[in-house]
Amino acid sequence: AQSVSQHNHHVILSEAASLELGCNYSYGGTVNLFWYVQYPGQHLQLLLKYFSGDPLVKGIKGFEAEFIKSKFSFNLRKPSVQWSDTAEYFCAVNVVGGGNKLTFGTGTQLKVEL
Amino acid sequence: KAGVTQTPRYLIKTRGQQVTLSCSPISGHRSVSWYQQTPGQGLQFLFEYFSETQRNKGNFPGRFSGRQFSNSRSEMNVSTLELGDSALYLCASSLEPGTGLTGELFFGEGSRLTVL
Repeated sequence: AQSVSQHNHHVILSEAASLELGCNYSYGGTVNLFWYVQYPGQHLQLLLKYFSGDPLVKGIKGFEAEFIKSKFSFNLRKPSVQWSDTAEYFCAVNVVGGGNKLTFGTGTQLKVEL
Repeated sequence: KAGVTQTPRYLIKTRGQQVTLSCSPISGHRSVSWYQQTPGQGLQFLFEYFSETQRNKGNFPGRFSGRQFSNSRSEMNVSTLELGDSALYLCASSLEPGTGLTGELFFGEGSRLTVL
């Protein structure tokens, strides 16, 4: 079975600081990779996804993530965070051909201070 | 376009009771998945339905069950409730599994269940 690890549980940054959230997965086959975000009081929503092709993917609100197959990693980055990026971020994987079953990491709570 | 709608939003039950939660997917979405979210275990997959058939199932006891209707609406049921079943239950809809867009889920706001 696949698993997902997010190394940072709580991150506090000042506005304009750079962000990198780590995500590693364990699975020997082909996977799709996702980052989902949950803003305070809102529902979980897709931030970006990787299916195939260019390992550097761009999502909404200036976020990007890089898939490094050799490291089983899919780290999320943003060059300059804003107060409105305060949210909980979840990395997730699903097995290609396995339908819509996602395995989520435990989440990273990001707080951006003014 | 209306989002995923879950009802009820909040409910309180006592141990031993059973509960039914409902989910209406986004129009045109035929896949519905259910997840349990708790502070300790995070987001855990319960099951996925597509065209009224259970396509995937997570590692939950048989007390957790679900179904999907011909209009793609889905319900999940938890029987003989235990204190540990207290959680936020999230429903997510998506396009057909074979479209190449698997994993792109649209979540509802959830049904928060408290078991006393």
